[in-house]
Amino acid sequence: GAVVSQHPSRVICKSGTSVKIECRSLDFQATTMFWYRQFPKQSLMLMATSNEGSKATYEQGVEKDKFLINHASLTLSTLTVTSAHPEDSSFYICSAEDRDTIGGRQETQYFGPGTRLLVL
Amino acid sequence: GEDVEQSLFLSVREGDSSVINCTYTDSSSTYLYWYKQEPGAGLQLLTYIFSNMDMKQDQRLTVLLNKKDKHLSLRIADTQTGDSAIYFCAETVANDYKLSFGAGTTVTVRA
Repeated sequence: GAVVSQHPSRVICKSGTSVKIECRSLDFQATTMFWYRQFPKQSLMLMATSNEGSKATYEQGVEKDKFLINHASLTLSTLTVTSAHPEDSSFYICSAEDRDTIGGRQETQYFGPGTRLLVL
Repeated sequence: GEDVEQSLFLSVREGDSSVINCTYTDSSSTYLYWYKQEPGAGLQLLTYIFSNMDMKQDQRLTVLLNKKDKHLSLRIADTQTGDSAIYFCAETVANDYKLSFGAGTTVTVRA
């Protein structure tokens, strides 16, 4: 089955520093990856759509200079939280889209295990 | 997502069936999904259904779709303690691969 990994699984950083989170599709190529943010006991909020080789598309209200996304290859996307502040503390989840056709078109997102960020 | 709504909590006895309900508003939904999230973990795709289907069964899971009422349900037969988790309903709409999630239903399985 399709596997997506994230690294690190949890990170604690000081306010003002930058943190990079990696998202990898391990056994399939993902031209599109998505980055979500989840607050405690809430649903996932889509932050941006990342397409390999092009600029990410950010959702309304998400600062592109704050959350830098790079999708340099078909299996890797990175999210960098720049100048992190305590309010950036959250659970960040990526997903990768597998568009392989298996007996018919199938559009499915597979999720990584998430990265818990705590900014002190 | 205000476009996808779910009840927030469900408590069920071990061995009984669980039914989790979801409503959506966009009539152009193409795929509807059920994801499971265990504490501190990412989302696991459980099953999905194409919008022109009305039922899909996969082992203990049965998905029912009423397109007229825009209602989706997930039935888990013989619920086990390992089924305790948050279940998210999600949809994609035509020509857009973005997922819109409901708020999630916390399922608690009691002995």
